[in-house]
Amino acid sequence: SYVLTQSPSISVAPGQTARITCGGNNVGSKSVHWYQQKPGQAPVMVVYDDSDRPSGIPERFSGSNSGNTATLTISRVEAGDEADYYCQVWDSSSDPWVFGGGTKLTVL
Amino acid sequence: EVQLLESGGGLVQPGGSLRLSCATSGFTFSDYAMSWVRQAPGKGLKWVSAIVGSGGSTYYADSVKGRFTISRDNSKNTLYLQMNSLRVEDTAIYYCAKAGHTDGFDYWGQGTLVTVSS
Repeated sequence: SYVLTQSPSISVAPGQTARITCGGNNVGSKSVHWYQQKPGQAPVMVVYDDSDRPSGIPERFSGSNSGNTATLTISRVEAGDEADYYCQVWDSSSDPWVFGGGTKLTVL
Repeated sequence: EVQLLESGGGLVQPGGSLRLSCATSGFTFSDYAMSWVRQAPGKGLKWVSAIVGSGGSTYYADSVKGRFTISRDNSKNTLYLQMNSLRVEDTAIYYCAKAGHTDGFDYWGQGTLVTVSS
């Protein structure tokens, strides 16, 4: 089955830029979706189809996808952005909806 | 406003059964595929099962195939997950999730906790 690989954690100072990566074999040929999950809460979609934002999501959240790596970029990081972030794709394999392992963003 | 509200979780012994429900509102339920996604304590998200809008096609993760059954009642705007032969490793928060315009999940419920333990 298809595998998405994320770094377990990153730390960023307030006001700086966070880049969270999601690696997968030729992931650039797939649509990547990103979710934010704060402690004790349900996931929230923050980027869909590589780079589109759902309504209500700040422009500080953006995405890109090429080759074997998709990236979620959070500009001007705020304390409220501290959360776990998951990437997700659909693949024609036995378990079609695939999530990455998640990246914990810590705001210093 | 789209709302998804799960219920039916609880404590069950290994080998037991449980039926989860997800009541929805704020969108035309029959127009959208729905999924169940679970999260074991301290772990990441894992897709469990999906069903198309008409209910005519269903999909399962290998880990639950043959034990879980997804269904929906479009007249009641409600999604279900029948879980049989439960195992300790099925312990998780179970979320229902609405399919977005493509293959992501644009809305999620708050989740219901299933604990399988003797």
